[in-house]
Amino acid sequence: ETGVTQTPRHLVMGMTNKKSLKCEQHLGHNAMYWYKQSAKKPLELMFVYSLEERVENNSVPSRFSPECPNSSHLFLHLHTLQPEDSALYLCASSQAMGYEQFFGPGTRLTVL
Amino acid sequence: AQSVTQLGSHVSVSEGALVLLRCNYSSSVPPYLFWYVQYPNQGLQLLLKYTTGATLVKGINGFEAEFKKSETSFHLTKPSAHMSDAAEYFCAVSVVSAGKSTFGDGTTLTVKP
Repeated sequence: ETGVTQTPRHLVMGMTNKKSLKCEQHLGHNAMYWYKQSAKKPLELMFVYSLEERVENNSVPSRFSPECPNSSHLFLHLHTLQPEDSALYLCASSQAMGYEQFFGPGTRLTVL
Repeated sequence: AQSVTQLGSHVSVSEGALVLLRCNYSSSVPPYLFWYVQYPNQGLQLLLKYTTGATLVKGINGFEAEFKKSETSFHLTKPSAHMSDAAEYFCAVSVVSAGKSTFGDGTTLTVKP
């Protein structure tokens, strides 16, 4: 695998479920990002990790919990989500913060 | 702090016509500038970038952009639109020293036959 991969590509969950989104980068990058992309809304930066340390958390509800166990992997743990959380969740990585970002294909999340 | 404004959330052109997508930025220090493209149900893909040096940068798929410091602009152009160019385009500005990147709201390009 090359680039940035995300699994699953599609996820349907109920409001009481717990699920996790996974992102893996094969580029040797030091920074990783989670974005939320909703219809008709701008791209929203959720979390930023640099060298496995969380450096940015943009007022994201606690029902979203990120985890970065190493520089290649990033998770987004989801629990008790709301229907308005339905969106495309994009993971990205970059050589370092501020450099061009390489995006995964996204996970299309639907919360029922 | 930096910011970026994409003028026009929707642009429609005819196939074969010039594509011009506008981006203006604000930054207190020399920025890096990027254009990304997103096709339906996909992630963003880097089209081109400006870091330093030559102000006219060429990217993939025949796109190019010119960094104009005096106008604080980084507009994206393509001489002749193709149906496959229909997508959403994002301009982004970065201040590497601060480790900060900011994306514009995006411009949806429609190409009419």
